[in-house]
Amino acid sequence: EVQLVESGGGLVKPGGSLRLSCAASGFTFSSYSMNWVRQAPGKGLEWVSAISSSSGYMYYGDSVKGRFTISRDNAKNSLYLQLNSLRAEDTAVYYCARTPVGYYFDYWGQGTLVTVSS
Amino acid sequence: QSALTQPASVSGSPGQSITISCTGTSSDVGTYNYVSWYQQHPGKAPKLMISEVNNRPSGVSNRFSGSKSGNTASLTISGLQAEDEADYYCSSYTNSGTRVFGGGTKLTVL
Repeated sequence: EVQLVESGGGLVKPGGSLRLSCAASGFTFSSYSMNWVRQAPGKGLEWVSAISSSSGYMYYGDSVKGRFTISRDNAKNSLYLQLNSLRAEDTAVYYCARTPVGYYFDYWGQGTLVTVSS
Repeated sequence: QSALTQPASVSGSPGQSITISCTGTSSDVGTYNYVSWYQQHPGKAPKLMISEVNNRPSGVSNRFSGSKSGNTASLTISGLQAEDEADYYCSSYTNSGTRVFGGGTKLTVL
């Protein structure tokens, strides 16, 4: 059974940093691209970042480019998102999602909440 | 990187059919057959309903179908049921290698 479990969310002050993790199981992690998608309270989904299976390619949404960094450790079956220079508008539930060939998101984690507030 | 355009809300009675549109540009929906649709119930993670314009994953009801014409993709739900009431989002691959979501559509089953 495919499982994605996010962790690392919490309350952080504006300008602060946080590192999110996503533990994957039930599939060959190193064969899939992975993504982060976020959802602000009461708002829609926003794609944040993607990383290819071997970390050769990384992409970012305009709103996080230069502040967030996506990475992965295939030996640990884990996906990460480093969040720096956090702003109030980064407050959201952050989901990790698997992407097979075809650029869609077939499995999602349960999400981890990041709250940016003083 | 503008969001795809979806109607904010649609509604229908049980047994009826509804269609949700998703309008993009020639940089995303119009060029690539990488449009997907997601269902999200309150407090839950999104669920894939349609991939690559019109492919239905195993386990998804055949009442759900997708299509595309030009820069606009559509999700049709036939034989509406109470459990279909949820938020629906479209997504597309873009020519810059990024992905983009629609703003979401709230489906109400009357």
